Amino acid sequence: DTAVSQTPKYLVTQMGNDKSIKCEQNLGHDTMYWYKQDSKKFLKIMFSYNNKELIINETVPNRFSPKSPDKAHLNLHINSLELGDSAVYFCASSQDGTSEETQYFGPGTRLLVL
Amino acid sequence: RKEVEQDPGPFNVPEGATVAFNCTYSNSASQSFFWYRQDCRKEPKLLMSVYSSGNEDGRFTAQLNRASQYISLLIRDSKLSDSATYLCVVPLWDYKLSFGAGTTVTVRA
Repeated sequence: DTAVSQTPKYLVTQMGNDKSIKCEQNLGHDTMYWYKQDSKKFLKIMFSYNNKELIINETVPNRFSPKSPDKAHLNLHINSLELGDSAVYFCASSQDGTSEETQYFGPGTRLLVL
Repeated sequence: RKEVEQDPGPFNVPEGATVAFNCTYSNSASQSFFWYRQDCRKEPKLLMSVYSSGNEDGRFTAQLNRASQYISLLIRDSKLSDSATYLCVVPLWDYKLSFGAGTTVTVRA
């Protein structure tokens, strides 16, 4: 059983396109996250939702819009893709959202914008 | 000063060797710390948590020095399977985690 799953695993697309990445967790956690890992390997938080409510919204372009239909799902929609959006996007979840907890990561979505 | 800084390595060690590396952090209010492990092209996974002065889990020992604001990770009797990037993670004051860029360890036969 996959605890945190993401689709798609790979995404190759042209500049200017709009794409979505989906994430689901079956751990019963209340909090979910989106991270971006760039070519320099830094993992940076983008968004966090707790029980479908946005609690972390880092300074990312407003072309990125998260949506949480329920606490087990967190999707990421990206409009007007740019070359600099190429990265690995990881979804994660944790029980309550406090910074003391373990976060469980999905396998990542490798996005390449051409 | 960056929130979390790590020596990127790579640390290239033979099987059976001991390898240790540090992570420095800037938020003196942080109470707990984490080491995550990330294999090549995989997701990060928790290796161990550090809440007081340190923690030991088998061949892995993490130590915390609050006065100097650094955490170290020591791996004894290295195995080939220990080859990975080790991410130092420090909680911030606003429920976020700050990840270091990672220290790469390669264990050779």
